[in-house]
Amino acid sequence: SQQGEEDPQALSIQEGENATMNCSYKTSINNLQWYRQNSGRGLVHLILIRSNEREKHSGRLRVTLDTSKKSSSLLITASRAADTASYFCATVSLGTGANNLFFGTGTRLTVIP
Amino acid sequence: DAGVIQSPRHEVTEMGQEVTLRCKPISGHDYLFWYRQTMMRGLELLIYFNNNVPIDDSGMPEDRFSAKMPNASFSTLKIQPSEPRDSAVYFCASSLQENSYNEQFFGPGTRLTVL
Repeated sequence: SQQGEEDPQALSIQEGENATMNCSYKTSINNLQWYRQNSGRGLVHLILIRSNEREKHSGRLRVTLDTSKKSSSLLITASRAADTASYFCATVSLGTGANNLFFGTGTRLTVIP
Repeated sequence: DAGVIQSPRHEVTEMGQEVTLRCKPISGHDYLFWYRQTMMRGLELLIYFNNNVPIDDSGMPEDRFSAKMPNASFSTLKIQPSEPRDSAVYFCASSLQENSYNEQFFGPGTRLTVL
């Protein structure tokens, strides 16, 4: 079963614009991770935010976490055509195996050159 | 390191045939995961191993599916007999348990088509 849901399911923007994707989850978590999947490829880890953190940055990526609302957002600034991919959030629930990730449904991002 | 290696990359078989998917995790990683991805159900965890021991196989859909990890550098996922509804992309991933926050490294996947 899947833990999270991403919103929107699909997003299309122009190169240079910012892209924001949201993730909602159901149970208390240990941490939340974002992954990217290019078409026909495996998932690649982007960033991890712990349950006691509210915001984290990595290059053009900014992740926020609101545990009271059980939600997270991923912001990609100054998007590039190469950012075109599907983005998934994944959570590690409290009380479960530390490596047991539950993936969301994904947001398909298209960046138009 | 070459990353997680999966073979074959593509497999087309007929219903009723046995299918074996293979995975070589990143050297030194002590966790190995098998996932299945479909449009309808998204990414599902099938089973995972820690130090070659199956820890949670609750995601394995039915008895037709089995997974083994005979050593730290090799795992197989077997479907016998295969059915058209097993068509999906199967991913293997590995991670290193240094603390409770580790990322998983995914292989390129095996696209399985059962006719």
